[in-house]
Amino acid sequence: GAGVSQSPRYKVAKRGQDVALRCDPISGHVSLFWYQQALGQGPEFLTYFQNEAQLDKSGLPSDRFFAERPEGSVSTLKIQRTQQEDSAVYLCASSLGGQGVPRGATDTQYFGPGTRLTVL
Amino acid sequence: AQTVTQSQPEMSVQEAETVTLSCTYDTSESDYYLFWYKQPPSRQMILVIRQEAYKQQNATENRFSVNFQKAAKSFSLKISDSQLGDAAMYFCASEEYGNKLVFGAGTILRVKS
Repeated sequence: GAGVSQSPRYKVAKRGQDVALRCDPISGHVSLFWYQQALGQGPEFLTYFQNEAQLDKSGLPSDRFFAERPEGSVSTLKIQRTQQEDSAVYLCASSLGGQGVPRGATDTQYFGPGTRLTVL
Repeated sequence: AQTVTQSQPEMSVQEAETVTLSCTYDTSESDYYLFWYKQPPSRQMILVIRQEAYKQQNATENRFSVNFQKAAKSFSLKISDSQLGDAAMYFCASEEYGNKLVFGAGTILRVKS
């Protein structure tokens, strides 16, 4: 596709509900990232995929957060038993290169418009 | 851990004037990249400019240029001939091997007509 897309753009959940956020990266991009952006702050890294392999999940705040990318393209970020502190914008980014690939312009991450999650 | 600091929460500039946004970072890596991203109210994070740490020459993209001081770990963004469309939140970010980005807290840029 022309760019990274995310759905839904807005999600309101009651505390305790499970939510699933979708990311469609740019076609052919090897790397996919999820970031969490709290109101008025910079994005913070959650997790990273190279193709279907989840190589880094060090930023996931708890075991309620789970991400997958089973076929190496579309990714889903799932949050179980949502809490009010999960309210944030969730950004997805993709890049053409990956770890082990010679570095260069392919490292640039292109971001989607984000999903704003509000937990009541 | 890598850190990125943007010490200016908010900046204002008159249309057609020049403004400089500050950024400092801390990393133990020798090979890394630095970025400036722009985030308008629509939330779409847009790449403004990137700098490779091993390159001495400062990056330039049209009206946007950086002043990269590697020894001082400083990476400021200069916007020349400011336009109303430049108004947004600007984030400085660093990337080390492993590719994840570490962002600063952001600087809100307001452009006055």
